[in-house]
Amino acid sequence: DTGVSQNPRHKITKRGQNVTFRCDPISEHNRLYWYRQTLGQGPEFLTYFQNEAQLEKSRLLSDRFSAERPKGSFSTLEIQRTEQGDSAMYLCASSWGGNQPQHFGDGTRLSIL
Amino acid sequence: AQTVTQSQPEMSVQEAETVTLSCTYDTSESDYYLFWYKQPPSRQMILVIRQEAYKQQNATENRFSVNFQKAAKSFSLKISDSQLGDAAMYFCASPIQGAQKLVFGQGTRLTINP
Repeated sequence: DTGVSQNPRHKITKRGQNVTFRCDPISEHNRLYWYRQTLGQGPEFLTYFQNEAQLEKSRLLSDRFSAERPKGSFSTLEIQRTEQGDSAMYLCASSWGGNQPQHFGDGTRLSIL
Repeated sequence: AQTVTQSQPEMSVQEAETVTLSCTYDTSESDYYLFWYKQPPSRQMILVIRQEAYKQQNATENRFSVNFQKAAKSFSLKISDSQLGDAAMYFCASPIQGAQKLVFGQGTRLTINP
């Protein structure tokens, strides 16, 4: 069990640029979740996958956001045409099935200049 | 909508003392879980303790225990013999049935005074 891995740890970009984050879940976990956390707040749900299927997306996830999980393994979260309000910590978590604790990665901190 | 509320933005405690962090929640589900997560500064969020709502017995993990009051929808975390390494943000969370996506409270920042 190597834990949930997220890359990069930090991303600084100019407004209007596209960014992509990667999450590698714990290998035997079939569920993968993305959350967004702003300073001083609890994480907010963005989207989740069961295997390769994206089953739910939050209203927080505008059309500029897209997530994939090809082959039910790693996942990517892309933000197009970044805006100042996208600055946040993006957390990935994985679990085996429902009602099981989610294991979190270290997160990717996005800063928009 | 499912909500989780932590009314204490900050708490502090002397090393070796006991501290209790409060959490209330609102859910329409009959069977559910509740979690406490710990997030140290610039570090990973880790699970501290889990409570299954259908179990009457309060969960305990070493120095961490919960006081689960189902009728009052209250789920507080007690940390005994506080240690410097306990300093962190603590989040109460409840998963929504089906997706099991977590709804988090606003967090309580715990400081341990040596």
